[in-house]
Amino acid sequence: AAGVIQSPRHLIKEKRETATLKCYPIPRHDTVYWYQQGPGQDPQFLISFYEKMQSDKGSIPDRFSAQQFSDYHSELNMSSLELGDSALYFCASSLGLNGATQQYFGPGTRLTVT
Amino acid sequence: DQQVKQNSPSLSVQEGRISILNCDYTNSMFDYFLWYKKYPAEGPTFLISISSIKDKNEDGRFTVFLNKSAKHLSLHIVPSQPGDSAVYFCAATGTASKLTFGTGTRLQVTL
Repeated sequence: AAGVIQSPRHLIKEKRETATLKCYPIPRHDTVYWYQQGPGQDPQFLISFYEKMQSDKGSIPDRFSAQQFSDYHSELNMSSLELGDSALYFCASSLGLNGATQQYFGPGTRLTVT
Repeated sequence: DQQVKQNSPSLSVQEGRISILNCDYTNSMFDYFLWYKKYPAEGPTFLISISSIKDKNEDGRFTVFLNKSAKHLSLHIVPSQPGDSAVYFCAATGTASKLTFGTGTRLQVTL
């Protein structure tokens, strides 16, 4: 079965550079979530989209922005990168926007800022 | 403010025995709870969930118990197998659908 695809899997950037992470949800899933997991920490919710509209916002810095496109894939744009942005970024997708809906996670993008 | 807590960072269990992973939450608005399993370099994999209207849900070797009054849930794995060795995250959600994760428990199943 098709899973959530994230690209790239690994990314190394320097401070103050920009990065774009991509997420391709499971076919027919219309909801995408982004999470950030710092070293030794639990995944923290950043932002979510349902039917191409932002549905919820968590602890996402103003330097980050995201959107969901007409084919339901999503991109997380990160500017003025800081060392503290080094983390594993997970994307998850689900069918529908419902608290009881299971979210399927991608393998993550490991971002290293040097 | 950690709304979902897993107080045991690690747990070691012998193969064939029962593994019990615990999770506490503070937000009474949470009404759906999930357990995810995570291997290194992979995303979390859904294991089992439970709605707040239930107190038990079972799926094969995995059973989740929910005590709403105590704001506590637990995951039982029986019998434990070496392939169960991973980090287990408890997660909670309400109507907003975003997941709030616990800090994880690393389970090691030994031979």
